[in-house]
Amino acid sequence: SQQGEEDPQALSIQEGENATMNCSYKTSINNLQWYRQNSGRGLVHLILIRSNEREKHSGRLRVTLDTSKKSSSLLITASRAADTASYFCATGAQGSGNTPLVFGKGTRLSVIA
Amino acid sequence: DAGVTQSPTHLIKTRGQQVTLRCSPKSGHDTVSWYQQALGQGPQFIFQYYEEEERQRGNFPDRFSGHQFPNYSSELNVNALLLGDSALYLCASSIRGIAKNIQYFGAGTRLSVL
Repeated sequence: SQQGEEDPQALSIQEGENATMNCSYKTSINNLQWYRQNSGRGLVHLILIRSNEREKHSGRLRVTLDTSKKSSSLLITASRAADTASYFCATGAQGSGNTPLVFGKGTRLSVIA
Repeated sequence: DAGVTQSPTHLIKTRGQQVTLRCSPKSGHDTVSWYQQALGQGPQFIFQYYEEEERQRGNFPDRFSGHQFPNYSSELNVNALLLGDSALYLCASSIRGIAKNIQYFGAGTRLSVL
């Protein structure tokens, strides 16, 4: 079963705008990760945030984590057409570093040039 | 440095048949996990292999089995295929004991069961 939900399910924006996606999860976690998937192919790791971190940046990406609300958000600034993809959050349970990832259903982002 | 490679890319089978999917992990990685992704859904964990043994398993029936070889490559076998087994099968590799648990995914094998 899915760990949680991404919100919105689909998002369409103009190039240059910012895109914000949200993720909720259910259980205690060790870390939360965001992945991108282009056209039903393999997933590409974007960013990882540990449970004791509140915010993390990587290039045009900004991730926040609120463990009290069991939620995270991914912000993509100055979006480009190449950002068009599905974005998934994935959680790793507390414990060893090799626990299976539990994914949400994803947000489909369309960036219109 | 090759990433995670999976074969074949696409596969068409009929109900009741058996299928084997293959995965070579990223160089230096020793742990392989398999995921099933149905259309419009997120990936779901099938099982994980380390040191040639199944270490963890998700909520999948015994029709799903696997193997890991001494070179860390892995196979996923599905017996008695059902229409509902149609999905994208993703292999991910990682290094055991690394706290960050970043998994690197292959491009997947798309299985269609007719």
